[in-house]
Amino acid sequence: KQEVTQIPAALSVPEGENLVLNCSFTDSAIYNLQWFRQDPGKGLTSLLLIQSSQREQTSGRLNASLDKSSGRSTLYIAASQPGDSATYLCATHYGGSQGNLIFGKGTKLSVKP
Amino acid sequence: DTEVTQTPKHLVMGMTNKKSLKCEQHMGHRAMYWYKQKAKKPPELMFVYSYEKLSINESVPSRFSPECPNSSLLNLHLHALQPEDSALYLCASSQGHLAGAGETQYFGPGTRLLVL
Repeated sequence: KQEVTQIPAALSVPEGENLVLNCSFTDSAIYNLQWFRQDPGKGLTSLLLIQSSQREQTSGRLNASLDKSSGRSTLYIAASQPGDSATYLCATHYGGSQGNLIFGKGTKLSVKP
Repeated sequence: DTEVTQTPKHLVMGMTNKKSLKCEQHMGHRAMYWYKQKAKKPPELMFVYSYEKLSINESVPSRFSPECPNSSLLNLHLHALQPEDSALYLCASSQGHLAGAGETQYFGPGTRLLVL
């Protein structure tokens, strides 16, 4: 059974710092990995999706990497801003059936002004 | 329109009530999903509809009854819920063209449900 782990559970950084969020998964037989952002009490916003054949994806200040063989992904946020404060969730799309998205518990990020 | 909308935003109901959650998308997506998210936990998949047919039911109790009346609309009918069913209910959609393969899922803002 696929398990997704995110470390750290919480992270507090000063504004302007570059930071890395980690995600690991136990079964490398994934179709893709998706990073989401969730603000308190809100839905999920898709940030980046990396297909299993890809190594990384970039969007603005965000860069996500995927090492399928080692079961790891990282989300790099450059020049962090207070508006980046949120919970970041990674999820693997796993298995042969549609919709089988397995989530990690998330990393709660706080960027201090 | 790249938005998934959900109504209502908040819902309080008693254990004997019957209520419904509604989800709508106009992106032409043919796969729609219901997730349940408890406080400080990740979302958990409940149901998947593909081309208006139920394709996955993750052993959800029968007091939750999904319905997909057309390709743009997904409902979740609630009856005789328990207090432990209180959670954020999230709807998502994806293109639905890649059978068995991953697609970007687009999430709505959720309905926060409180069962008294």
